[in-house]
Amino acid sequence: DARVTQTPRDKVTEMGQEVTMRCQPILGHNTVFWYRQTMMQGLELLAYFRNRAPLDDSGMPKDRFSAEMPDATLATLKIQPSEPRDSAVYFCASGYQMNTEAFFGQGTRLTVV
Amino acid sequence: QQQVKQSPQSLIVQKGGISIINCAYENTAFDYFPWYQQFPGKGPALLIAIRPDVSEKKEGRFTISFNKSAKQFSLHIMDSQPGDSATYFCAASKDNTDKLIFGTGTRLQVFP
Repeated sequence: DARVTQTPRDKVTEMGQEVTMRCQPILGHNTVFWYRQTMMQGLELLAYFRNRAPLDDSGMPKDRFSAEMPDATLATLKIQPSEPRDSAVYFCASGYQMNTEAFFGQGTRLTVV
Repeated sequence: QQQVKQSPQSLIVQKGGISIINCAYENTAFDYFPWYQQFPGKGPALLIAIRPDVSEKKEGRFTISFNKSAKQFSLHIMDSQPGDSATYFCAASKDNTDKLIFGTGTRLQVFP
């Protein structure tokens, strides 16, 4: 049963701390997305990669957020330093063909206090 | 031009009724229009999708109607069931990019 795996599922951290979220895309998928979901803004695209190369990170606050794909089986989203306004659910999704289904993970619920 | 506007924000329907959710877009370069369904605590999952070469697509109780000239598309859920209670997102993207732009979501509640 192929699925996108995200860790951790829940994270509570203090303001100013570094947060790293991890995503294992479905094997064989060459596109990886990071989305942030909040009640106010809905689903916002933060960044996405194709074949491990970043294609668009215009939705990401550059001063504190960074996204990488160290290898084809791992994508990371890092926030340093974290702020209370970063509290949200962060989703990773993967796909293998342009403009077809994006498969979402179950998300990481981040709470910054 | 990148926005996708979705309405209503919430919808309450009785079991067996028809649920209708509408979306509108501005960018005529969009050519892929999926609908995603999200249950609490889960990630969104693709429900049904359409491309602008057809005006309607049906899969079981779910139908997308697409009006290219009006730049609108809608999701119809026939014979709505309590198990359909979820949040529904429309989305759009352009052919030369995977970048999915999502609507703001519609919370559907189906009461028995």
